[in-house]
Amino acid sequence: DTGVSQDPRHKITKRGQNVTFRCDPISEHNRLYWYRQTLGQGPEFLTYFQNEAQLEKSRLLSDRFSAERPKGSFSTLEIQRTEQGDSAMYLCASSFDQQPQHFGDGTRLSIL
Amino acid sequence: AQSVTQLGSHVSVSEGALVLLRCNYSSSVPPYLFWYVQYPNQGLQLLLKYTSAATLVKGINGFEAEFKKSETSFHLTKPSAHMSDAAEYFCAVSDRGGKLIFGQGTELSVKP
Repeated sequence: DTGVSQDPRHKITKRGQNVTFRCDPISEHNRLYWYRQTLGQGPEFLTYFQNEAQLEKSRLLSDRFSAERPKGSFSTLEIQRTEQGDSAMYLCASSFDQQPQHFGDGTRLSIL
Repeated sequence: AQSVTQLGSHVSVSEGALVLLRCNYSSSVPPYLFWYVQYPNQGLQLLLKYTSAATLVKGINGFEAEFKKSETSFHLTKPSAHMSDAAEYFCAVSDRGGKLIFGQGTELSVKP
């Protein structure tokens, strides 16, 4: 068990640019979740996958956001045309079915 | 819809004193309840979970929580605080579909 890995740990970009984050879950976990956490708040659910199928998306996930998990292993979260309000910590978590979720250390996004 | 309310955004205790962090939940179905801890610039670590078995749940690092259905509460306690317990604590609820709904968090400070 090597844990959930997220890359990069920090991303600084200019407003209007596109960014992509990667999450590598624990290898035997079939579920993968994305959350967003802003300063002083609890994480908010964005979306989740069971294997390669995206089963639920939050209304927080605007059209500028897209997530994929093409082979049921790693996942990517892309944000197009970034805005100031996208600045946050993006957390990935994985689990086996309904077992408790294991979190990565997150990707901190800063929009200049 | 499910929700979580954590009473007190900041709690300060002396080393060796009782830790009590409060969490109330709302759920239309029997909930799964969790406490997670977050250290600066890190992801979330599971402290303990309630999944409809014993109402008193013991977790890691000496923490425990009691599920009280009549009060819709799941408060976190530790008999004796240690300096290393200083962190942000999050209560979360799940409807067994997997996604977690988090409270706003409680920052615990421990004074020497």
